[in-house]
Amino acid sequence: NAGVTQTPKFQVLKTGQSMTLQCAQDMNHEYMSWYRQDPGMGLRLIHYSVGAGITDQGEVPNGYNVSRSTTEDFPLRLLSAAPSQTSVYFCASSPRDGSYEQYFGPGTRLTVT
Amino acid sequence: EDKVVQSPLSLVVHEGDTVTLNCSYEVTNFRSLLWYKQEKKAPTFLFMLTSSGIEKKSGRLSSILDKKELFSILNITATQTGDSAVYLCAVEWGFGNQFYFGTGTSLTVIP
Repeated sequence: NAGVTQTPKFQVLKTGQSMTLQCAQDMNHEYMSWYRQDPGMGLRLIHYSVGAGITDQGEVPNGYNVSRSTTEDFPLRLLSAAPSQTSVYFCASSPRDGSYEQYFGPGTRLTVT
Repeated sequence: EDKVVQSPLSLVVHEGDTVTLNCSYEVTNFRSLLWYKQEKKAPTFLFMLTSSGIEKKSGRLSSILDKKELFSILNITATQTGDSAVYLCAVEWGFGNQFYFGTGTSLTVIP
């Protein structure tokens, strides 16, 4: 079991560029989420999914898109990167069994210049 | 506005001390409260609490929830340097998979 994997680990973008952060899990979890973590702000929910084909917005969705075509994958797309999107991004998954324990990926550190 | 507030923001203790971390919340449609430990990387799960007054324990760590007063505490006894980390509190709400996180308490344990 690899758990939750994220790629890349680090990324530097110029303002206006687009990119996709990849997230995959091999635990057959139905729930998946994307968070960003900024100093002094804690983790904030960007988008989440309760199953393949179903996504919804979290607290801070602007500037990000997601899709969930399979149970395993939940990519996060930055449409036009801005310096305010400089952050550490975590993907998480959890089973739909009432435990709601989330398993986090190792994170992607993104810098937008 | 929904919020999760953790206190203190940071704490420095000596090995062997006992610490109590606090998490208060005002969240509509509360489902559960979770504690995580984060050591410079991804958060790792500690406890999930859904019922008031039932203590959860794991070794030197324990936690309890008070749904009437809307808070939870995380206790760590006989602290060790390996307990140094940021401790995050998260509240799950709504119909599933939606969480509000607090900003965390940074704990430093010095030998």
